[in-house]
Amino acid sequence: EAGVAQSPRYKIIEKRQSVAFWCNPISGHATLYWYQQILGQGPKLLIQFQNNGVVDDSQLPKDRFSAERLKGVDSTLKIQPAKLEDSAVYLCASSSLRGVNQPQHFGDGTRLSIL
Amino acid sequence: ELKVEQNPLFLSMQEGKNYTIYCNYSTTSDRLYWYRQDPGKSLESLFVLLSNGAVKQEGRLMASLDTKARLSTLHITAAVHDLSATYFCAVNTGDSNYQLIWGAGTKLIIKP
Repeated sequence: EAGVAQSPRYKIIEKRQSVAFWCNPISGHATLYWYQQILGQGPKLLIQFQNNGVVDDSQLPKDRFSAERLKGVDSTLKIQPAKLEDSAVYLCASSSLRGVNQPQHFGDGTRLSIL
Repeated sequence: ELKVEQNPLFLSMQEGKNYTIYCNYSTTSDRLYWYRQDPGKSLESLFVLLSNGAVKQEGRLMASLDTKARLSTLHITAAVHDLSATYFCAVNTGDSNYQLIWGAGTKLIIKP
């Protein structure tokens, strides 16, 4: 089966600019996650979707980050305006049946550098 | 609040040696996951441990779970260079959202 697809792979922007990331989960996976992974740390959950609804966005900095999952398939994560501390890898993951007993499957991530 | 601690955070070892990575977590959980991450790559699922006493093995890697001690171990037998990577454990929060709390990762370097 095709894996989780993410684009772009790399992005370099200046602070205060905006950026958007795209994710296409594994076909049939109802649950989609966006994580932020700072160098040397484990992933930190930003937002979790179940189909096209938000399950948890408690750790999403809503003053600058937004995410949507229209039609319950693809998802986009946006940062506007970006800050230096947003430099990280943004990982998208998906799982079936709300992740019960199944691992989350990850995309290759988008490496974001803020200048 | 669930916290997950891994140790060591960095490990350099010679090929052919055995070693164990430890994953401790702070509150009750019924699911624990081990992942591998190569530099610049994504996270690859290695093991899913679902019950106390669970043991899973794949090649030179063996993972176990002791829910009473809130401890999981990832044992490496006769290490080879290809196992060099960062290994993460992640623990299910136990709520209905099935979210994971991640350890900081153990960077493993195996020297030929």
